[in-house]
Amino acid sequence: GQNIDQPTEMTATEGAIVQINCTYQTSGFNGLFWYQQHAGEAPTFLSYNVLDGLEEKGRFSSFLSRSKGYSYLLLKELQMKDSASYLCAVFAVFSVKLIFGTGTRLQVFP
Amino acid sequence: KAGVTQTPRYLIKTRGQQVTLSCSPISGHRSVSWYQQTPGQGLQFLFEYFSETQRNKGNFPGRFSGRQFSNSRSEMNVSTLELGDSALYLCASSLIRGLGTEAFFGQGTRLTVV
Repeated sequence: GQNIDQPTEMTATEGAIVQINCTYQTSGFNGLFWYQQHAGEAPTFLSYNVLDGLEEKGRFSSFLSRSKGYSYLLLKELQMKDSASYLCAVFAVFSVKLIFGTGTRLQVFP
Repeated sequence: KAGVTQTPRYLIKTRGQQVTLSCSPISGHRSVSWYQQTPGQGLQFLFEYFSETQRNKGNFPGRFSGRQFSNSRSEMNVSTLELGDSALYLCASSLIRGLGTEAFFGQGTRLTVV
């Protein structure tokens, strides 16, 4: 079976650091994506991890551990515009499709 | 380069009706996937089309169908609408199928069934 878990909601303060976790169980794993989705807008691509380790891209970093079925998205120097839903998605080779978690709604407060 | 275009943006239908949604992928992209997004369930995969053929299908009833044209544009159809079909329907296009292929999403069509 395929299962992806991430927290439903998180809150943080402007300027802080927040880590959004994602755990997954899937057969034929081949890559994990993070997408950002502002209310009423399309999801936009943030990062892709296929090998273990940390990928850094500006204020955003994403980490993957394939042996643990675990990933996190790290957001530094939070800004109000980072208030959005963050979607974790796993690419399953055998079914050749992206499987999404339910998303984590992040609210950033001043 | 134009992004993924979905029409219409908003739609209100009554139970029992049918609806057709349209998706124009990014030029050159041949893979189009459809997702249903609801607050409780997140993004649920509906189906994927590549080269005018349905390559993959999610766990949705047969009332949900789709097709892809030779120019890669895709349509999805929902017949005999139910209240539970109210959702945001997202289309995503990719250059190719498979590994590490970033999917680009359209703005979605928000369907409300009353």
